[in-house]
Amino acid sequence: QVTLRESGPALVKPTQTLTLTCTFSGFSLSTGGVCVSWIRQPPGKALEWLALIDWDDNEYYTTSLKTRLTISKDTSKNHVILTMTNMAPVDTATYFCARSSARADAFDVWGRGTMVTVSS
Amino acid sequence: SYELTQPPSVSVSPGQTASITCSGDKLGDTFVSWYQQKPGQSPVLVMYQDAKRPSGIPERFSGSNSGNTATLTISGTQAMDEADYYCQAWDSNILSFFGTGTKVTVL
Repeated sequence: QVTLRESGPALVKPTQTLTLTCTFSGFSLSTGGVCVSWIRQPPGKALEWLALIDWDDNEYYTTSLKTRLTISKDTSKNHVILTMTNMAPVDTATYFCARSSARADAFDVWGRGTMVTVSS
Repeated sequence: SYELTQPPSVSVSPGQTASITCSGDKLGDTFVSWYQQKPGQSPVLVMYQDAKRPSGIPERFSGSNSGNTATLTISGTQAMDEADYYCQAWDSNILSFFGTGTKVTVL
């Protein structure tokens, strides 16, 4: 059974750096084709794709946030980590991680998401 | 890149057909996926590669994509289909985009 679970702080202050961890099971990020993405959703708003890392350590970022995002993986721990610098109130959102079985493929399994509020 | 536009809302009577559109420049040149999201829940994949249903998704869900418009169709809509729906596509640079979302109401 494939599962993903997001974890991280529920509250961060403006200008701080957010670090989120996606812990997954049921698949390996060493397997050819497998990718994990981070996606966020502000309250009451649409989904926004943030970043993807693939089995070959290639990283892809949404253009508007590229300078603030870093995605990485720890294959031995089945972790994918997202860091976002210089957090602001507009970054308040639920952050999801999701798997896809190939680059540019659908997100077939999602985590439950973790809500992050940016406030002083 | 893609700007994917969806109607904010679609209303449908039980048993009738709901069609949700997703518009973007030359969208037909790439694959489109669709996700269903119920309140307080994570999105669920209901259609991929334009017209393929994942295991467990009812046959009443179907999809198409041509020109500038992709469409998700729900035939014989049921109350359980009431949810937000999002289209999603990738561009040639491996960047992903979601649509603006459509709230489907079953009246």
